[in-house]
Amino acid sequence: DIQMTQSPSSLSASVGDRVTITCRASQSISNYLNWYQQKPGKAPKLLIYAASNLQSGVPSRFSGSESGTDFTLTISSLQPEDFATYYCQQSSTTPFTFGPGTKVDIK
Amino acid sequence: QVQLVQSGGEMKKPGASVKVSCKASGYTISNYGITWVRQAPGQGLEWMGWISAYNTNTDYAQDLQDRVTMTTDTSTSTAYMELRSLRSDDTAVYYCARLVFALAGVYYFDFWGQGTLVTVSS
Repeated sequence: DIQMTQSPSSLSASVGDRVTITCRASQSISNYLNWYQQKPGKAPKLLIYAASNLQSGVPSRFSGSESGTDFTLTISSLQPEDFATYYCQQSSTTPFTFGPGTKVDIK
Repeated sequence: QVQLVQSGGEMKKPGASVKVSCKASGYTISNYGITWVRQAPGQGLEWMGWISAYNTNTDYAQDLQDRVTMTTDTSTSTAYMELRSLRSDDTAVYYCARLVFALAGVYYFDFWGQGTLVTVSS
């Protein structure tokens, strides 16, 4: 199985901050990497698919990029509604493994 | 608008089975897949498998393969996930999601159900 790691596991940030979350795959997954946001008690929400494609309706402050087996989710200016846990997930091969998550909370 | 509505919470004893339903609306279910993801209390997301609503082909996570069955009923636009021989560590919120297959390797889950809490306890 492909293992996904994320860093950091948590971070504290202020409204307006630029936030970067990194995800790494244990082997090459091309650009087959998705990002989800989950708020407490809610279902995950798709933000980015295929590494850099913004899902319809998702604010443009969210962006994704890749460099080899490293992937980055960037929030350009953190908003109050962005405090949540973020998960990466690979879709290169099944099982479609998720990363352990990065919790973003208020500084 | 696309919606996935899941059945209500369940409490089961160890060794029992549970069947969770996921009713789709706002799109043609046979044009997409349905995937199931679970989340134990305070934990991350675990992918369980998926079913093509077009041809009913399935692909299950290996560690659940012997205990899980995913099905679809296109006449009612409903997907089902049955988990057998329940254990306490199966206690989790179970989510269904629409699986989009854009091209080889590009799969993503764009709409999710609200989740169903399954509690396994004696």
